[in-house]
Amino acid sequence: DTGVSQNPRHKITKRGQNVTFRCDPISEHNRLYWYRQTLGQGPEFLTYFQNEAQLEKSRLLSDRFSAERPKGSFSTLEIQRTEQGDSAMYLCASSLESGNQPQHFGDGTRLSIL
Amino acid sequence: GESVGLHLPTLSVQEGDNSIINCAYSNSASDYFIWYKQESGKGPQFIIDIRSNMDKRQGQRVTVLLNKTVKHLSLQIAATQPGDSAVYFCAEKAQTGFQKLVFGTGTRLLVSP
Repeated sequence: DTGVSQNPRHKITKRGQNVTFRCDPISEHNRLYWYRQTLGQGPEFLTYFQNEAQLEKSRLLSDRFSAERPKGSFSTLEIQRTEQGDSAMYLCASSLESGNQPQHFGDGTRLSIL
Repeated sequence: GESVGLHLPTLSVQEGDNSIINCAYSNSASDYFIWYKQESGKGPQFIIDIRSNMDKRQGQRVTVLLNKTVKHLSLQIAATQPGDSAVYFCAEKAQTGFQKLVFGTGTRLLVSP
């Protein structure tokens, strides 16, 4: 299966710790997106990369959050000094570059802050 | 598995019935719309998309209708099967030139055998 791959699937950590998630997009997709989803809600946009360039960032992405896509392939999302409110599912998606293309999602990383 | 949505609008149908899931979107300038299916513990799965210059698009067992006048989107599923049970989200790309998707409130579809 060559879909979007996210690791780890689950992360449990104590408040104040740093966490990092990884996303491997579909191989021919130049666009990569991060979303956050809390229970009972739809996904909320965090940020978007085209190749290695980060082109859009949501106001939800506080300065404790940083995302990178250094070689235009996989991406990492780091959260520093985690807070209870960071508990959520973090979803990655990817798409082709031209025009309007559907975003294809991975199965997410579930973050639980103790 | 964990629940995707605890207090979502719910549509209950019998196997073999046709299902219609509705969505109101917010931005009259939105130019692209997508329907996703999300099963418990999984990410959203792409079902079908439609551009704003169309009012209907058909896939395998699914049809999306777009009414720009009233900013309404619907997903029709023909001959609904138990495997169609999931939470369904509509999403809009709210600004031309930007890639952010804005998701609506999901609808839980329950299909009884």
